[in-house]
Amino acid sequence: GAVVSQHPSRVICKSGTSVKIECRSLDFQATTMFWYRQFPKQSLMLMATSNEGSKATYEQGVEKDKFLINHASLTLSTLTVTSAHPEDSSFYICSAGGERGNQPQHFGDGTRLSIL
Amino acid sequence: GESVGLHLPTLSVQEGDNSIINCAYSNSASDYFIWYKQESGKGPQFIIDIRSNMDKRQGQRVTVLLNKTVKHLSLQIAATQPGDSAVYFCAEKGPRRGATNKLIFGTGTLLAVQP
Repeated sequence: GAVVSQHPSRVICKSGTSVKIECRSLDFQATTMFWYRQFPKQSLMLMATSNEGSKATYEQGVEKDKFLINHASLTLSTLTVTSAHPEDSSFYICSAGGERGNQPQHFGDGTRLSIL
Repeated sequence: GESVGLHLPTLSVQEGDNSIINCAYSNSASDYFIWYKQESGKGPQFIIDIRSNMDKRQGQRVTVLLNKTVKHLSLQIAATQPGDSAVYFCAEKGPRRGATNKLIFGTGTLLAVQP
């Protein structure tokens, strides 16, 4: 089945650091990938749609300069949290797939980001 | 509209019983629905999906029912096992406009299976 790999699984860093998270589709090509944020005991909130070879589409309220997205190939999207602060601490999850008609997206195992 | 984060409702069942998890979706134009299972510290895992031209779909130990009249989706798990303990999310996808195929997630239900 379709596999999405996300790395790293956990990051702990100081305030002001920029953190890059990678999302890879391992056995299929993905023109679009999605980045979500999830707080404890809450649902997934879509942050942005990553588009291969073009700019990402951000959801309302998500700062594009804060959360930089690059989708340079059909198997890799990266999310960079720039100058991270404690309020950016969260669980970030990517997904890919479902581009051909009604098929499910598949998710990575998430990145737990903790900013001290 | 987008799902808003809320504290998770919890369904507690005894091992071996059947579980029914409900979801109310928001967009009457949505044409595809998915149930995901999320274990602690992991990403959501696909369980089963259903298209809007169907009312019911069965998988292994799971059944999804779709009632478009009241915009309601349910997931039935037969003979619930401790390994079924997780948070379950429904997700909907509207008719494609342009190139987007983004999902809208429900608030989620925590299923707690008692041995």
